Amino acid sequence: KAGVTQTPRYLIKTRGQQVTLSCSPISGHRSVSWYQQTPGQGLQFLFEYFSETQRNKGNFPGRFSGRQFSNSRSEMNVSTLELGDSALYLCASSFDGFTVNTEAFFGQGTRLTVV
Amino acid sequence: AQKITQTQPGMFVQEKEAVTLDCTYDTSDQSYGLFWYKQPSSGEMIFLIYQGSYDEQNATEGRYSLNFQKARKSANLVISASQLGDSAMYFCAMREGNDYKLSFGAGTTVTVRA
Repeated sequence: KAGVTQTPRYLIKTRGQQVTLSCSPISGHRSVSWYQQTPGQGLQFLFEYFSETQRNKGNFPGRFSGRQFSNSRSEMNVSTLELGDSALYLCASSFDGFTVNTEAFFGQGTRLTVV
Repeated sequence: AQKITQTQPGMFVQEKEAVTLDCTYDTSDQSYGLFWYKQPSSGEMIFLIYQGSYDEQNATEGRYSLNFQKARKSANLVISASQLGDSAMYFCAMREGNDYKLSFGAGTTVTVRA
C-alpha cells in the first residue's frame, strides 16, 4: 500500500511569489493535515481537511490556504511568500481523524526555501 | 501554555544500550492520545508508538515502549538495545478529545554511538 506522497520534494521561490504544494494521502484515508516545521518554531499545525471540508485551522495568516479534492488529495497554497515561510511542510493522512487514537501517517515533506 | 514538553534537546547513547526520552503533557481533556514519532534526517515523520488516556497497560512496539504515568502527565519513550539507525529526532505528540490536530513537543535528538 503506497504511503503519503508529497510533491515536490524541494522548492526554491522568490519573495513575493506564490507556491502550491501537493499531498496524496494513503488510499482510503479521508483526513489530510498540514504542518509547518522550522528550527525556531518547531512543528506547527496549519489546517486539516476531511471530505473536502476544512475542520480545523492553526494560527497562520490568510496567505496560507488549502483545499481538498473529492479523491482526498490536498493542496496548500502560500501567497506573497516571505523569507520566514522557508520551512519543511509536512502532510499527514488519517483514516478519519475522529478519534484520539487515529494514527497519522506522514509524507516525506516539501522543503521550501524562499530567497 | 505548551501542551507537550520535551526537556532533552539532545542525547548520546551507546549502541545496544537503552535510552529514555522524556515527555510531559498538559491537557484538561479526559480523552486524549499520545504518540511518538521518529524523524530521520530525510525529514519523514515515522510513527513509533501510541498510548491512549484510558489504556491501563503501557504500550509496547518491538524495541519501543512507552512509560505512561497518567497522574504525573508523563509519557516517556524507552528505546531498548539502541542501534545506529536509531539516530534521529524524536517527537512526542498529543491529540485531544475531538481535536483534529496533533500538538508536538520540541523534539529530542538522539545520537547512537558505535
